[in-house]
Amino acid sequence: DAGITQSPRHKVTETGTPVTLRCHQTENHRYMYWYRQDPGHGLRLIHYSYGVKDTDKGEVSDGYSVSRSKTEDFLLTLESATSSQTSVYFCAISESRGTQYFGPGTRLLVL
Amino acid sequence: GIQVEQSPPDLILQEGANSTLRCNFSDSVNNLQWFHQNPWGQLINLFYIPSGTKQNGRLSATTVATERYSLLYISSSQTTDSGVYFCAAMNRDDKIIFGKGTRLHILP
Repeated sequence: DAGITQSPRHKVTETGTPVTLRCHQTENHRYMYWYRQDPGHGLRLIHYSYGVKDTDKGEVSDGYSVSRSKTEDFLLTLESATSSQTSVYFCAISESRGTQYFGPGTRLLVL
Repeated sequence: GIQVEQSPPDLILQEGANSTLRCNFSDSVNNLQWFHQNPWGQLINLFYIPSGTKQNGRLSATTVATERYSLLYISSSQTTDSGVYFCAAMNRDDKIIFGKGTRLHILP
């Protein structure tokens, strides 16, 4: 299995608070991705990174920001959490624009 | 943007049966992947298949890029094959779009 960890694995927070999710890889892959998974929507791309400090928006980027200061870490920040951001968040990595490997996911509940 | 549609949305089969899952995409793609999400939520990459045919054990996949579809074949189904199968297409802007999945339930 690809070495991908996500932290925290579960989080409960209140509306209006900032939240940061971390994705850490040990594979030295260039590309990293953040997705959210919601019933009826499948997985939707939030942001992705194609190198250190190089990021781009995905399909559902509003309300989210990302940072990648090191190859191994990709952070997703909810600047002011809302109930609509309650979801399961997955990180993925790929060496090129090819096969993706997913982390275990983070369950976020915004009350 | 590109649309990715999967069919059928749900499938219930007896153990030992064969199945074909379909993924249609609305535009040219740079790559096409198939994933399995098991009942515990883990996502596993099955195939990276922008075109042609690949096989891995009881699973095989075929993508006909010119006709904008991909098929995933599962033979001799086992209960461990249960879960949701997703296809994901990368468009020419390098954005990845997932289909909504096919939920497969294999009965013992």
